[in-house]
Amino acid sequence: DTGVSQDPRHKITKRGQNVTFRCDPISEHNRLYWYRQTLGQGPEFLTYFQNEAQLEKSRLLSDRFSAERPKGSFSTLEIQRTEQGDSAMYLCASSLATYNEQFFGPGTRLTVL
Amino acid sequence: DQQVKQNSPSLSVQEGRISILNCDYTNSMFDYFLWYKKYPAEGPTFLISISSIKDKNEDGRFTVFLNKSAKHLSLHIVPSQPGDSAVYFCAASPNNAGNMLTFGGGTRLMVKP
Repeated sequence: DTGVSQDPRHKITKRGQNVTFRCDPISEHNRLYWYRQTLGQGPEFLTYFQNEAQLEKSRLLSDRFSAERPKGSFSTLEIQRTEQGDSAMYLCASSLATYNEQFFGPGTRLTVL
Repeated sequence: DQQVKQNSPSLSVQEGRISILNCDYTNSMFDYFLWYKKYPAEGPTFLISISSIKDKNEDGRFTVFLNKSAKHLSLHIVPSQPGDSAVYFCAASPNNAGNMLTFGGGTRLMVKP
């Protein structure tokens, strides 16, 4: 399977704990995006990378959130001191820089108790 | 402020008939528009897109129409099939390829056999 993969698919954690999610993009895609989707809403942009450079961050990305793409391949999204409001589906997508079409992974569903 | 709106949260259509899903946007910087389909527990899947230099794009049973002066686009599915039952998201991007997508809230389509 050469699509976008995300790990884990589900994560349940207690408030105040740190969590980290991983995304592996389509191999030849140089852009990688993170989105968050809450129930009944469309995905909301969080941040994106071109290769290893983080080019844009949404105001939704508070200082408790950090994303990395150290070698320009996979990416991690870490949430520190989780809050119940962080409960959502976290989606990763990838694309070529010259195209608008983004291809999404299956998402990581986070539940903060 | 929602820049992309899908005013119909749900739509029910008989198999074989036409499904029309609508989307409105407010940001005149948007230059490229996409439709995604999402099944439960999966990430969004790219369906079809249109650039603002066109007013129509067709791919098999799916056609997207863009009315730039009205800031309105629609997705037509003909004929509708039960497997088309999913949540459909409209998304928009500014005129530089590879930018973040801004999504609408989605429309749940139910195609009845």
